Amino acid sequence: AQSVTQLDSHVSVSEGTPVLLRCNYSSSYSPSLFWYVQHPNKGLQLLLKYTSAATLVKGINGFEAEFKKSETSFHLTKPSAHMSDAAEYFCVVSDQNSGYSTLTFGKGTMLLVSP
Amino acid sequence: DTEVTQTPKHLVMGMTNKKSLKCEQHMGHRAMYWYKQKAKKPPELMFVYSYEKLSINESVPSRFSPECPNSSLLNLHLHALQPEDSALYLCASSQDSGSYNEKLFFGSGTQLSVL
Repeated sequence: AQSVTQLDSHVSVSEGTPVLLRCNYSSSYSPSLFWYVQHPNKGLQLLLKYTSAATLVKGINGFEAEFKKSETSFHLTKPSAHMSDAAEYFCVVSDQNSGYSTLTFGKGTMLLVSP
Repeated sequence: DTEVTQTPKHLVMGMTNKKSLKCEQHMGHRAMYWYKQKAKKPPELMFVYSYEKLSINESVPSRFSPECPNSSLLNLHLHALQPEDSALYLCASSQDSGSYNEKLFFGSGTQLSVL
């Protein structure tokens, strides 16, 4: 069985300061891990994906995440927040389930960015 | 074209109505998905179609009836819904559903209100 825990329901930062969104996972297999972002009243957009090629994954819009197997973590970071980064962020784990890819979503972290 | 298009964007229906949600993609993807998302919650998987065949039904009530007329289209037929079915309904697609590290492309969703 797989699961995802996003440690913070809300994170507030000031524009220009670093962003850290925390995620821990549990998986029976070697998982794939994703971060998706959802802006208000929009669908989800993939930020980045880890599939065991490299532990540091770079995504779109300056975001990156580091896979740490020993800590079962996949935290999302960005050096400098922008107002447009304000959105809901979901950490997602995927492993094979009866031969089909199924995603398990974390509960989400709302990122608030103040001027 | 890397878009998943959903129509309508908003829908209000009574409990005795019959309506349909539509989803379309032209990326050549062979897997399509319906997710349900309640406010401030992560998306929940409802159905997966793989090569136009229903492969996963996550114990969804029969008042929701999916249909995949061809590889580009996915419908969700709604009948006799309850107020608690009000939610954002998201369609997604991926190249294939058989690989656990597939990236999903999401539409912007249909915001459904059941009165």
